Amino acid sequence: GAGVSQSPSNKVTEKGKDVELRCDPISGHTALYWYRQSLGQGLEFLIYFQGNSAPDKSGLPSDRFSAERTGGSVSTLTIQRTQQEDSAVYLCASSLSPQGYPNYGYTFGSGTRLTVV
Amino acid sequence: GQNIDQPTEMTATEGAIVQINCTYQTSGFNGLFWYQQHAGEAPTFLSYNVLDGLEEKGRFSSFLSRSKGYSYLLLKELQMKDSASYLCAVRDYSGGYQKVTFGIGTKLQVIP
Repeated sequence: GAGVSQSPSNKVTEKGKDVELRCDPISGHTALYWYRQSLGQGLEFLIYFQGNSAPDKSGLPSDRFSAERTGGSVSTLTIQRTQQEDSAVYLCASSLSPQGYPNYGYTFGSGTRLTVV
Repeated sequence: GQNIDQPTEMTATEGAIVQINCTYQTSGFNGLFWYQQHAGEAPTFLSYNVLDGLEEKGRFSSFLSRSKGYSYLLLKELQMKDSASYLCAVRDYSGGYQKVTFGIGTKLQVIP
């Protein structure tokens, strides 16, 4: 596609429920990243995919968070047993090459605003 | 790990020039990015520096000094639409791969 597409754009869920967030990167972008942005906070790195593998999962806050990528394309971020502190905007980004190297910046999607009530 | 510092808020007047500073501490430095983020929107790529000096792109310029761990984003001829958050992001090579870490962002308000 022309840009990075994320769905849903907004999600309200009850505490304790599971949620799935989807990211469709730009066609041909091999690298895919998930970030989280809480109100008034910076971008918090969650996980990085190169193709279908995830060499860096260091940002996932707990074992309730998992992500997968299939066909070198679509990625799904799953949060199990959601908590109120999970409320944030979840941003997905893709780039042509790993970590935006050499000088290609990331292209971000519009994000999924998750509210846990 | 990385430590990225930038002011949280700035205010400037339409038509003026503003400089947003970013300092960082990291090992294995391999590039610095600036992004613009309007409220409620995704960040968009503005500039990239990996060598010392100034990169100019229209009204926006970005400067890097690797020895000082310092960068700035310069915005000229400010317009109201430039009101946004400006994110400094540093890429470094550690642990066997490259990683990009974002600062908290500087919220710029342009006033008439």
